[in-house]
Amino acid sequence: VTLLEQNPRWRLVPRGQAVNLRCILKNSQYPWMSWYQQDLQKQLQWLFTLRSPGDKEVKSLPGADYLATRVTDTELRLQVANMSQGRTLYCTCSADGGGNNYAEQFFGPGTRLTVL
Amino acid sequence: SQWGEENLQALSIQEGEDVTMNCSYKTYTTVVQWYRQKSGKGPALIILIRSNEREKRSGRLRATLDTSSQSSSLSITGTLATDTAVYFCARNMGYKLTFGTGTSLLVDP
Repeated sequence: VTLLEQNPRWRLVPRGQAVNLRCILKNSQYPWMSWYQQDLQKQLQWLFTLRSPGDKEVKSLPGADYLATRVTDTELRLQVANMSQGRTLYCTCSADGGGNNYAEQFFGPGTRLTVL
Repeated sequence: SQWGEENLQALSIQEGEDVTMNCSYKTYTTVVQWYRQKSGKGPALIILIRSNEREKRSGRLRATLDTSSQSSSLSITGTLATDTAVYFCARNMGYKLTFGTGTSLLVDP
């Protein structure tokens, strides 16, 4: 059973243009939603974890700027701007968000971004 | 082995062989998770080991965790072509996963 839906699945991004990504949670038993990026060398890096509707966070990393928003209990968004290198963004969900080192993270299918 | 600043490692073996991948970490951890990522897919958890277990088995998978040397290993016995994937070790600090650099495994049929 698919827990997460991501769209778009891929996007060509003109240099200097921002892109908006969506992630939809299909099972409310896993309410802790996060974004991870994977660079072209396959390195995975945590970006954000947002639990409650209305939560927002920003972050700048080498190669891209990010703005994440928890829109509703089932929708997470990510705006990617100033991207200079391609990457894949994964949405994840988990049953537990605090103090549980055993909680499994379930990954979505990912959105692949390529810079034009 | 994974973690730190190393680049993605690559291993190429024949179907039926056994393989072991290693992971070392700098910060004490009580839990190591191993994820597998097949081409075009997101990572998926395949085995989790806790510090009080030392060894954990799941089918053809075997994970170990040595807290004294701060290292973990993942072994796959009797590999299949379908085991071809990138394998990551990860530490879970609450809601955040910190991943190793990964081992790319190619199993030739």
